[in-house]
Amino acid sequence: AQSVSQHNHHVILSEAASLELGCNYSYGGTVNLFWYVQYPGQHLQLLLKYFSGDPLVKGIKGFEAEFIKSKFSFNLRKPSVQWSDTAEYFCAVGSGGFKTIFGAGTRLFVKA
Amino acid sequence: DSGVTQTPKHLITATGQRVTLRCSPRSGDLSVYWYQQSLDQGLQFLIQYYNGEERAKGNILERFSAQQFPDLHSELNLSSLELGDSALYFCASSETGDTEAFFGQGTRLTVV
Repeated sequence: AQSVSQHNHHVILSEAASLELGCNYSYGGTVNLFWYVQYPGQHLQLLLKYFSGDPLVKGIKGFEAEFIKSKFSFNLRKPSVQWSDTAEYFCAVGSGGFKTIFGAGTRLFVKA
Repeated sequence: DSGVTQTPKHLITATGQRVTLRCSPRSGDLSVYWYQQSLDQGLQFLIQYYNGEERAKGNILERFSAQQFPDLHSELNLSSLELGDSALYFCASSETGDTEAFFGQGTRLTVV
């Protein structure tokens, strides 16, 4: 069965620290990859996506993610986090033309 | 505004009751997803429909059911409600099933 694993459930960082959130998936075919963010009290919204092409994808608010096909990974990164990045982050994998699976989410808390 | 409309925004009901949550997807989107989000369980995938047909099923209880109508709007029916069903219920839609998902603002259900 297809699955998406996010390695960290909770991450606490200080402002200006670098961020890397891990995401691995299990699916052998072509995939579309997404990171979504949910700010406190809000709905999920798209941070960035990868369909094809350059495996290093840049999203909004300085986030980027790298697709490593051989490792089935799509890790999210940001060089310097801000307090306003406090949110929950979800990795998602779309596959088979009709299905998207979300990871369990990582709650990020950035200390001011 | 994601273009996905959920009604009602808030719902308070008693245990044992039945409620219906409604979702109107973005114009042109054929796929609709339902998710339950609670503090202890996180984001749980319930069910997905594509063009009126059920495509994937997650952790949806037998007391819950859903359908997608010919006009593509969807309803999630929750019956014999229990206190533990109190949660935020999100609907999302996407053009197909594996492209970017757009989330509604959610329906906050409180069972008392």
